[in-house]
Amino acid sequence: DAGVIQSPRHEVTEMGQEVTLRCKPISGHDYLFWYRQTMMRGLELLIYFNNNVPIDDSGMPEDRFSAKMPNASFSTLKIQPSEPRDSAVYFCASSRPGVLGETQYFGPGTRLLVL
Amino acid sequence: QKEVEQNSGPLSVPEGAIASLNCTYSDRGSQSFFWYRQYSGKSPELIMFIYSNGDKEDGRFTAQLNKASQYVSLLIRDSQPSDSATYLCAVNRITGAGSYQLTFGKGTKLSVIP
Repeated sequence: DAGVIQSPRHEVTEMGQEVTLRCKPISGHDYLFWYRQTMMRGLELLIYFNNNVPIDDSGMPEDRFSAKMPNASFSTLKIQPSEPRDSAVYFCASSRPGVLGETQYFGPGTRLLVL
Repeated sequence: QKEVEQNSGPLSVPEGAIASLNCTYSDRGSQSFFWYRQYSGKSPELIMFIYSNGDKEDGRFTAQLNKASQYVSLLIRDSQPSDSATYLCAVNRITGAGSYQLTFGKGTKLSVIP
């Protein structure tokens, strides 16, 4: 299995530009998660999907952030307009829940720098 | 606000020693507990998970859970330099059918000195 795939791996953009991050979960996993990691705040859950449906987006910081999952094999996280404080590593993870929880498999991350 | 607290470290141990990593959590409804390892510049990877009070062993790793004290720990025996990484504690609460909350601590940085 290829694991969780994310693209791009690195993104440098200027303030005000639109940024789109992409994720392909592991085949057969029905949960997909978007995280943001910074030194100050650690790993924060932004939003997660179950069977392509957004379940909890309470972690999305602002209306500038949006996420979609049009099908079981693809999800996007969009930031429009981007700001310097959005600079972080964005991880996508997927899982197939067990009885009392789940194991999440993380993608390699997208390192975003907003100038 | 559900919180997961970890000592940020760095925790330095000599090679071959036991490394002890600790985590406390605030939500008594938490049901499953995870330890992830993250090497610098890499993504988190699961080491162990534990659901029940007591110890769970996997090779050199032992996870310990005490729900009454809201405390979970990870012991690494015979520490190796390759164990040097940041260890993230994660706590999960299932809130309903198909819905749960997973909260990560900020991690403890472990350095194993050769």
